[in-house]
Amino acid sequence: DAKTTQPPSMDCAEGRAANLPCNHSTISGNEYVYWYRQIHSQGPQYIIHGLKNNETNEMASLIITEDRKSSTLILPHATLRDTAVYYCIVRVAGGGSNYKLTFGKGTLLTVNP
Amino acid sequence: GAVVSQHPSRVICKSGTSVKIECRSLDFQATTMFWYRQFPKKSLMLMATSNEGSKATYEQGVEKDKFLINHASLTLSTLTVTSAHPEDSSFYICSATRLAGERETQYFGPGTRLLVL
Repeated sequence: DAKTTQPPSMDCAEGRAANLPCNHSTISGNEYVYWYRQIHSQGPQYIIHGLKNNETNEMASLIITEDRKSSTLILPHATLRDTAVYYCIVRVAGGGSNYKLTFGKGTLLTVNP
Repeated sequence: GAVVSQHPSRVICKSGTSVKIECRSLDFQATTMFWYRQFPKKSLMLMATSNEGSKATYEQGVEKDKFLINHASLTLSTLTVTSAHPEDSSFYICSATRLAGERETQYFGPGTRLLVL
């Protein structure tokens, strides 16, 4: 699976949009971009994933560049409860062990009042 | 989103005893579940892949005889930490894969905090 690079930490003001970048320059054509977050002492929470088109759901938007070498997770109106470590993960979709996720260090997003 | 539960949420045990942790997918069937371990201020590390009806696949460096995994049904996988020692104290997290057409997503349980005295 392709490696990802994320900034170790970011700050955001409550109510403002949080834009979390992720570089995955070695991504393959059949690899998806997944985003998870982990609030302290909890299991990771699925946020969103995509292949090449931009995606949006009730939690966030995922913007993937045309060359797919980077992406941005957007939390449109950050709240204090969005403070968490955000993980960007790329991997193939498929059966068996291909389903496993490899977690890096992620980005600690701190939302400030 | 899909719901995955774990039981117990936390457990304290004496060194040398065995501890069983259950992982259940509550509203979907999961042919594949995963077990992770997370030490303080570290990222999640995959321990093993649990497949329903077959033997688990362990990651390099994870002792299969110490961490017994049983995936008895499409909604339940168990991890048993045998002869636990203080160095096994950690946050154990399971996940289950949900298939929806060509899109598959992995959902995580809330984790089990194990403290071995």
